[in-house]
Amino acid sequence: NAGVTQTPKFQVLKTGQSMTLQCAQDMNHEYMSWYRQDPGMGLRLIHYSVGAGITDQGEVPNGYNVSRSTTEDFPLRLLSAAPSQTSVYFCASTQLETQYFGPGTRLLVL
Amino acid sequence: RKEVEQDPGPFNVPEGATVAFNCTYSNSASQSFFWYRQDCRKEPKLLMSVYSSGNEDGRFTAQLNRASQYISLLIRDSKLSDSATYLCVVNKKDSSYKLIFGSGTRLLVRP
Repeated sequence: NAGVTQTPKFQVLKTGQSMTLQCAQDMNHEYMSWYRQDPGMGLRLIHYSVGAGITDQGEVPNGYNVSRSTTEDFPLRLLSAAPSQTSVYFCASTQLETQYFGPGTRLLVL
Repeated sequence: RKEVEQDPGPFNVPEGATVAFNCTYSNSASQSFFWYRQDCRKEPKLLMSVYSSGNEDGRFTAQLNRASQYISLLIRDSKLSDSATYLCVVNKKDSSYKLIFGSGTRLLVRP
């Protein structure tokens, strides 16, 4: 069991570039979510999904898109990167209120 | 006001010390409460859930005070390996799966 995996581990983007952060889980969990973590802010929910084909916005969704075509995968797309999106991004899957996090993606937008 | 507030610390304690963290939350309708642990540059991991009656897991004790809307975590006999950031987590009233994370309390245990 790999749990929750995320790629890439690190990424540097220029302002205006787009990219997709990948997230996959092999635990067959229906609920998945994306967070960003900034110093002094705690983790903030970007988007979440309660199952394949169903997604919804979290607390800070602007500038991000998600899709959920399978139970396993939940990619996060940055449409046009901005310096304010410099952060650490965590994907999580949930079972019985326990969230299992991936190792994170560190993103720097110049 | 933040929905979940924690003292950021750091708490710097010697090995063997007892240390306590508190956390307050603003949503009185919250039903589920947790402590997560996050090591430096790593992902958060569930440490323990917090129940109304209080609960203990080895050296760790969690308490919930619904009337005052605060949660506590007590660590006894601190180990060097306890050095980490401890995140207080509360669920949103409209979904048991949507969690609100505090910004964390940093603990440093010194030899």
